[in-house]
Amino acid sequence: AQKVTQAQTEISVVEKEDVTLDCVYETRDTTYYLFWYKQPPSGELVFLIRRNSFDEQNEISGRYSWNFQKSTSSFNFTITASQVVDSAVYFCALSDSGTYKYIFGTGTRLKVLA
Amino acid sequence: KAGVTQTPRYLIKTRGQQVTLSCSPISGHRSVSWYQQTPGQGLQFLFEYFSETQRNKGNFPGRFSGRQFSNSRSEMNVSTLELGDSALYLCASSLLPSGGGTDTQYFGPGTRLTVL
Repeated sequence: AQKVTQAQTEISVVEKEDVTLDCVYETRDTTYYLFWYKQPPSGELVFLIRRNSFDEQNEISGRYSWNFQKSTSSFNFTITASQVVDSAVYFCALSDSGTYKYIFGTGTRLKVLA
Repeated sequence: KAGVTQTPRYLIKTRGQQVTLSCSPISGHRSVSWYQQTPGQGLQFLFEYFSETQRNKGNFPGRFSGRQFSNSRSEMNVSTLELGDSALYLCASSLLPSGGGTDTQYFGPGTRLTVL
């Protein structure tokens, strides 16, 4: 069965702290895709990154970085030097040929305090 | 390029009524997916349409239905509304069918439906 687990329900940090959001996934497929989305208070899900199962290279984009480890079925997201504007709910999602749809985790609410 | 648009943004209905929500995808995108988001159940997949055909359906009762038009715009309909249908309904579009991660889904701002 396909499943995405985001064990951290809510995280609070002080501005400029680094924070890591965890994502653990389950799938039987060898080909699959992982995603991170950000949902600010406005409600719209904003696409952040997509990674396929054959590419285990870590990705860095500005203050954002992602660590993909197939050995532990994890796709963690780190924000360096967090800012108040990073406050949002972050979702991890999985898509594979078995489901033909996105499976979302329950989300992690990040609060960055000034 | 304009993003995904959804109308209306807010809606208040009473139990037993029906409602139609609209989604216009990003220009050139042919796939539209719908999701229901509630505090208790999180983000749940409703259905996906590609080239006017329903490709996949989530585990929702038949009261939830949708369609896609030749210009890729999509509507979803909920009949005989129940209190539990109160949710944020999100629409996402992609160039190709999103199954298997073929393409990335881009989301609209959502329609917040309140059922009284």
